[in-house]
Amino acid sequence: GNSVTQMEGPVTLSEEAFLTINCTYTATGYPSLFWYVQYPGEGLQLLLKATKADDKGSNKGFEATYRKETTSFHLEKGSVQVSDSAVYFCALSDVQAGTALIFGKGTTLSVSS
Amino acid sequence: DAGVIQSPRHEVTEMGQEVTLRCKPISGHNSLFWYRQTMMRGLELLIYFNNNVPIDDSGMPEDRFSAKMPNASFSTLKIQPSEPRDSAVYFCASNPSVGGNTEAFFGQGTRLTVV
Repeated sequence: GNSVTQMEGPVTLSEEAFLTINCTYTATGYPSLFWYVQYPGEGLQLLLKATKADDKGSNKGFEATYRKETTSFHLEKGSVQVSDSAVYFCALSDVQAGTALIFGKGTTLSVSS
Repeated sequence: DAGVIQSPRHEVTEMGQEVTLRCKPISGHNSLFWYRQTMMRGLELLIYFNNNVPIDDSGMPEDRFSAKMPNASFSTLKIQPSEPRDSAVYFCASNPSVGGNTEAFFGQGTRLTVV
């Protein structure tokens, strides 16, 4: 079946450091891929998405490229800020294959000044 | 639009009691999802509806859990009887797509504590 695996946290970085959070997926069809962010006490918000192979999603300095050959969608940011501290979820959706939005377990990012 | 609205935001109940969580999706959205979030298991999909019809309820943990969507603007998730291990944050989400892979919009969640 379809699934998402992301690196376990927590990830602890200093401000302005480079961030990578790895995400790989297993899918039988042609899913869309997403990164969501959850700030403390809040629901999940879409950060970025990519709907087909080689697409790059980007938002707020974050980027992720849909790599079909490696079944990956790694999240990157060149210079993190304290305000980026949150939990990040990788997710896939493949409605055509009957798969609703399913999530990885989440990675907690903590950025210190 | 006000977004996905869940109620209550917090619920504390005693073991054995019935609990009903409510969700109002964004107007015009065709799909609705219920998720449960815990530290141990992360974010689990419980059930999702498309055009008010349950499509996949394989994530519903057991018969104590039930979900309904009587119309396009309202859904409930009921736990009867509740148990301490049901304590979690329950999220409702909706998305506008039928057959497409667009993103879901989440409510603020209901934090359930069963004592």
